[in-house]
Amino acid sequence: DVQLLESGGALVQPGGSLRLSCVASGSSFTTHALSWVRQAPGKGLEWVSSISLTTGNTYYAASVKGRFAVSRDNSENALTLQMHSLRAEDTALYHCAQSSSWDWTDALTIWGPGTMVTVS
Amino acid sequence: NFMLTQPHSVSESPGKTVTISCTRSSGNIASHYVQWYQHRPGSSPTAVIYENNQRPSGVPDRFSGSIDSPSNSASLTISGLKTEDEADYYCQSNDITSVVFGGGTKLTVL
Repeated sequence: DVQLLESGGALVQPGGSLRLSCVASGSSFTTHALSWVRQAPGKGLEWVSSISLTTGNTYYAASVKGRFAVSRDNSENALTLQMHSLRAEDTALYHCAQSSSWDWTDALTIWGPGTMVTVS
Repeated sequence: NFMLTQPHSVSESPGKTVTISCTRSSGNIASHYVQWYQHRPGSSPTAVIYENNQRPSGVPDRFSGSIDSPSNSASLTISGLKTEDEADYYCQSNDITSVVFGGGTKLTVL
C-alpha cells in the first residue's frame, strides 16, 4: 500500500516563506494525480492545490494563487508545496493526498497525516 | 467558483438511518462527480463514497450516496448507525479549475 508522509511544517512570521514536502512509499505515486488539502484549527477541509499527472498542469485555490507553487518529482516520489507571503490565515495542518487515478479531479483516496504550518 | 453547503451537525441513535445533504450553489450537480469523506479526530480523512454513489473497497454497504438534480444536491446516507460512525463528513466536487469541499457535517451517534 502507498503511504504518504509530509514534512516541512514550522512556525513562520507573516510574510515569510516555507517549503512543504510529501514523500510516498510504494510504486503508484508516479501514476496518480496529487493534491494539497489543509485544515485550519477548528475549521473544515480546504483544497489548496493539485497537479495533474498527464499534463503537469497545476491548479490553485483563489486564496493561495500567486503565492503558492506545487511541483512533483516522480523520480524521487516527491511532491512539494512552496509557500510565499504567508498570512495568519494560512495557519493549518497541510495534508498531501493522492487521487484514485491520473485525473486530478478524482477522489482523494490516500492521505498523509499532515504537517502543521503556523504563521504568527 | 461554487460552494457546497452542508448542515453543520446531525445526530441520531445507533441502529437508525441518517442522511447528510450537500447542496451545490451554482453549476449542475450532475456535471461533476461528488465524493464523500469521513474524518475522525486525530486521523486523516478517508473516502467513503466516490463518483456520486460508489463505495471504495472496505467501506460497508451501510454507506450510500446519491445525487438529485432538481434540488442540485447530493446526499450521503448511513444506515444501521454504529457509534464508530461518529465523525465529521465532507462532500467534495469540482469544476474545471478547482476542487471544493463542503463545510462539513458533524455526525453524533448517541
